[in-house]
Amino acid sequence: AQSVTQLDSHVSVSEGTPVLLRCNYSSSYSPSLFWYVQHPNKGLQLLLKYTSAATLVKGINGFEAEFKKSETSFHLTKPSAHMSDAAEYFCVVSDLNTGNQFYFGTGTSLTVIP
Amino acid sequence: NAGVTQTPKFRVLKTGQSMTLLCAQDMNHEYMYWYRQDPGMGLRLIHYSVGEGTTAKGEVPDGYNVSRLKKQNFLLGLESAAPSQTSVYFCASSYLGGLPINEQFFGPGTRLTVL
Repeated sequence: AQSVTQLDSHVSVSEGTPVLLRCNYSSSYSPSLFWYVQHPNKGLQLLLKYTSAATLVKGINGFEAEFKKSETSFHLTKPSAHMSDAAEYFCVVSDLNTGNQFYFGTGTSLTVIP
Repeated sequence: NAGVTQTPKFRVLKTGQSMTLLCAQDMNHEYMYWYRQDPGMGLRLIHYSVGEGTTAKGEVPDGYNVSRLKKQNFLLGLESAAPSQTSVYFCASSYLGGLPINEQFFGPGTRLTVL
């Protein structure tokens, strides 16, 4: 069965320091993986996606993620946090075996301290 | 190009009342989804549709019904609202399946409170 575990429910960083949001997945097939961001009282916006091309994926606003099959991980990183990065982040997995369903992690809330 | 829109944005119901949430997309997407978001639980799939006239149950379908009479619209109905259905509801759409799997596009959400 497909599932996603976001290892931290809350992450707090200082402005200008690196961000690491951790995601592990379980998939019985070749997965597609996504990171979405949700700002307060807003919908979800796609940050980046992995669909079996390059394992290092670059997204919007300076975020990137690396697909590591051996570790079943897809961690999200950013070299330098900005105040506007404060939001909820969701890791999502899907594969052909799920009938076009998407499985969401429970989210990581990122706080950026000025 | 409005993307995915949801109507209404906010609603307060009394227990036992009914209502319909409307989702519309103008991207000609085949797939549409309804999720609910509750604190600490991420997004959970209620129902989804792989095309006009077809619907399927997701993870938490009880108490909800859906219809997809037109490709661009996906309706979510609550026949007899319960306080447990207090949540934020998101609609999403995506392109036809296959590889690579395409991402979902989300609406802005509907905040529903059931008293």
